[in-house]
Amino acid sequence: RKEVEQDPGPFNVPEGATVAFNCTYSNSASQSFFWYRQDCRKEPKLLMSVYSSGNEDGRFTAQLNRASQYISLLIRDSKLSDSATYLCVVATSGTYKYIFGTGTRLKVLA
Amino acid sequence: GAVVSQHPSRVICKSGTSVKIECRSLDFQATTMFWYRQFPKQSLMLMATSNEGSKATYEQGVEKDKFLINHASLTLSTLTVTSAHPEDSSFYICSASVGQSTDYGYTFGSGTRLTVV
Repeated sequence: RKEVEQDPGPFNVPEGATVAFNCTYSNSASQSFFWYRQDCRKEPKLLMSVYSSGNEDGRFTAQLNRASQYISLLIRDSKLSDSATYLCVVATSGTYKYIFGTGTRLKVLA
Repeated sequence: GAVVSQHPSRVICKSGTSVKIECRSLDFQATTMFWYRQFPKQSLMLMATSNEGSKATYEQGVEKDKFLINHASLTLSTLTVTSAHPEDSSFYICSASVGQSTDYGYTFGSGTRLTVV
């Protein structure tokens, strides 16, 4: 079993739609969680950290469920510019190591 | 915000030659930097953790004699792919942490696309 699993997609959605991605992780000792965005042939860029209480940044909402060991990302009012691969990242505090999921590819269609 | 500069962005080399990739933290000191490799349609895989002034820590399955890492200063880490072969063709990315733990998130360099012919 992979340490971090994501549905690779692609998710094809129309502009304005709401889309959600889930990510599961296997290490119950994981302490830090992030969503990164990666455009084709580019480096990953931090989209948002994920906090236990859930957090929101504009159209993006991230949630963490420790009991079920998954995190989610919700994108509202999708824009064409949201088309990218979204990487779920999990880390254990003190190790400095990031574990990346394979990413979920999103295509927002006009 | 924190910026990590990586170059070259793209390199094509002949099989058997060595390639050096540089990663610099421009506006902060990075005692620890990380080197990742990403094959097409796969996730980023950590290759090694680079520590300033000490030996790098390599992940299981990564040959330390093939992927030489030097972290001689608080702002520069280099990865040298020695005797490169076509199977080493990949996207190599470095990253560094601004803070002292994973909690802050890491900043990534822009990546180096290596093609070995």
